[in-house]
Amino acid sequence: AQSVTQPDIHITVSEGASLELRCNYSYGATPYLFWYVQSPGQGLQLLLKYFSGDTLVQGIKGFEAEFKRSQSSFNLRKPSVHWSDAAEYFCAVDYNNAGNMLTFGGGTRLMVKP
Amino acid sequence: NAGVTQTPKFRILKIGQSMTLQCAQDMNHNYMYWYRQDPGMGLKLIYYSVGAGITDKGEVPNGYNVSRSTTEDFPLRLELAAPSQTSVYFCASSYSPVYNEQFFGPGTRLTVL
Repeated sequence: AQSVTQPDIHITVSEGASLELRCNYSYGATPYLFWYVQSPGQGLQLLLKYFSGDTLVQGIKGFEAEFKRSQSSFNLRKPSVHWSDAAEYFCAVDYNNAGNMLTFGGGTRLMVKP
Repeated sequence: NAGVTQTPKFRILKIGQSMTLQCAQDMNHNYMYWYRQDPGMGLKLIYYSVGAGITDKGEVPNGYNVSRSTTEDFPLRLELAAPSQTSVYFCASSYSPVYNEQFFGPGTRLTVL
């Protein structure tokens, strides 16, 4: 079955430190890839997406992600974390490239130390 | 634009009761979705709709029903509530199936006791 794995359930970083959240998916072809952020008590907000082309994509709030086909990965990065980045982050994959169904990873909860 | 709105925000049901979770969007999106999010888990797709009058099952449709009579509204019906349906429910919508940027509502937290 197709799956999305986010290996880190919780991550704590200091404010100003760099961040990398991992995401791996199980599939041979290149699906559409997404990162969403969920602040406490809120719905999900799209951070960035990858469909094709340049494997390094820029998103909102200073986030970027890099697609690596050989590793079936789509890791999210930020060079300097702000306290307001504390939230839960979800990687999602559209395996059909048809827009009908997203498969979500289990999420990574980010905590930011002052 | 209000975006995607959901009502109610919270609800407690007794086993066997029924209820409808409301979802509306004012962005003229054709695609609408219902997800459930269990603690520590990612979202799972319950049902989706590609336009008024057209719905289809997602990954976890059992115990739920949907209808789509208008572009704006996509209610989710629970007929016989069970404890396993305790979850947070999110409605989402998107304009294009190709680029599939989904906009999410704030969620409904449902507890079945």
